[in-house]
Amino acid sequence: DVKVTQSSRYLVKRTGEKVFLECVQDMDHENMFWYRQDPGLGLRLIYFSYDVKMKEKGDIPEGYSVSREKKERFSLILESASTNQTSMYLCASSRGLAGGGDEQFFGPGTRLTVL
Amino acid sequence: RKEVEQDPGPFNVPEGATVAFNCTYSNSASQSFFWYRQDCRKEPKLLMSVYSSGNEDGRFTAQLNRASQYISLLIRDSKLSDSATYLCVVNDLNDMRFGAGTRLTVKP
Repeated sequence: DVKVTQSSRYLVKRTGEKVFLECVQDMDHENMFWYRQDPGLGLRLIYFSYDVKMKEKGDIPEGYSVSREKKERFSLILESASTNQTSMYLCASSRGLAGGGDEQFFGPGTRLTVL
Repeated sequence: RKEVEQDPGPFNVPEGATVAFNCTYSNSASQSFFWYRQDCRKEPKLLMSVYSSGNEDGRFTAQLNRASQYISLLIRDSKLSDSATYLCVVNDLNDMRFGAGTRLTVKP
């Protein structure tokens, strides 16, 4: 079974704090993704990575950065958290070429609240 | 216009009913299509892929209409356990595009 884990299920931070969200997958997948999910908007892609040290911007990268130093780990960083970054953050991984349409396996999500 | 559009629902149906969801997409060059299921407070999981010829998996049938740019999901003999949000997903050249989801509640 593919397993994608995220470091926290719930997180509360204050405006201006630096926030790290960690994601680890155990299936040796090449591709990893970070999404945020908001009511009525669906999943929106923040960043993705198709290889170690590689990253590509998604639809809404502003205010975020990512790091992929190891194949199994993909980190999302909020440099200075703002209240409009309160959301559910979902990490996913997939095998194969990015955009190849392979099934994405999701982590359980981190519900981040920024006060 | 959103790239992938779904009726948000909610659809409230009795057990045993047949229910259908549609999803439209804007990019005619989209290459592959999926339905994911997301339970309340859980992560999305793949329900089924959608093939050009249509495909069936038990009580679930998915169809693709490239000319009209929509995909559909039909659920027959609804069960209480089918209650969830169903996400339409369209793969463009480099991106997976998710719809906002259609919420289904099956009632006894």
